[in-house]
Amino acid sequence: GDSVTQMEGPVTLSEEAFLTINCTYTATGYPSLFWYVQYPGEGLQLLLKATKADDKGSNKGFEATYRKETTSFHLEKGSVQVSDSAVYFCALNGGGSYIPTFGRGTSLIVHP
Amino acid sequence: NAGVMQNPRHLVRRRGQEARLRCSPMKGHSHVYWYRQLPEEGLKFMVYLQKENIIDESGMPKERFSAEFPKEGPSILRIQQVVRGDSAAYFCASSPLGTGGTEAFFGQGTRLTVV
Repeated sequence: GDSVTQMEGPVTLSEEAFLTINCTYTATGYPSLFWYVQYPGEGLQLLLKATKADDKGSNKGFEATYRKETTSFHLEKGSVQVSDSAVYFCALNGGGSYIPTFGRGTSLIVHP
Repeated sequence: NAGVMQNPRHLVRRRGQEARLRCSPMKGHSHVYWYRQLPEEGLKFMVYLQKENIIDESGMPKERFSAEFPKEGPSILRIQQVVRGDSAAYFCASSPLGTGGTEAFFGQGTRLTVV
């Protein structure tokens, strides 16, 4: 079945540092890929998405490129802020399964 | 356009009681998913429903858990005879389509505490 693997956290960075959170997936067919963000005590919010190979999703300074050849969708941000501290989930939908499939989540902690 | 509404936000139950969690999907969405999130763990799929139909319940424990999505009204996740291990955050998500790569929209979750 479909699956998503993302790097374990927590990822701890200083403000203005560069962020990468790795995500790889396994799916049949051609899924859409997503990054969600969860702030403490809240639900998941869609951060960005990409629906086909080589698409780049971007939002609030975050970017991720759909790489079919490496089955990856790594999240990047050039300069993180304290307010970016949250848990980030990589997800896919529309591959071999009709159920949105999530990675385990990666906690990001940004220090001033 | 209201988002996905879950209630209650917090629920405390004693062991052996029943817990009922409600989810109203976004307007126009007919597909509902329930997930459970345990501390320090990711989202675990529980059940996928459309109106009046359970499509996939492969993630639901075989006993004590049930879900429904009636023709009228919210989707309900029901946990009978709760135990301490049921303490978790339960999230509902909805989408307009079950396939095709659309994103799922999440509610704020219900945090169940069993004492």
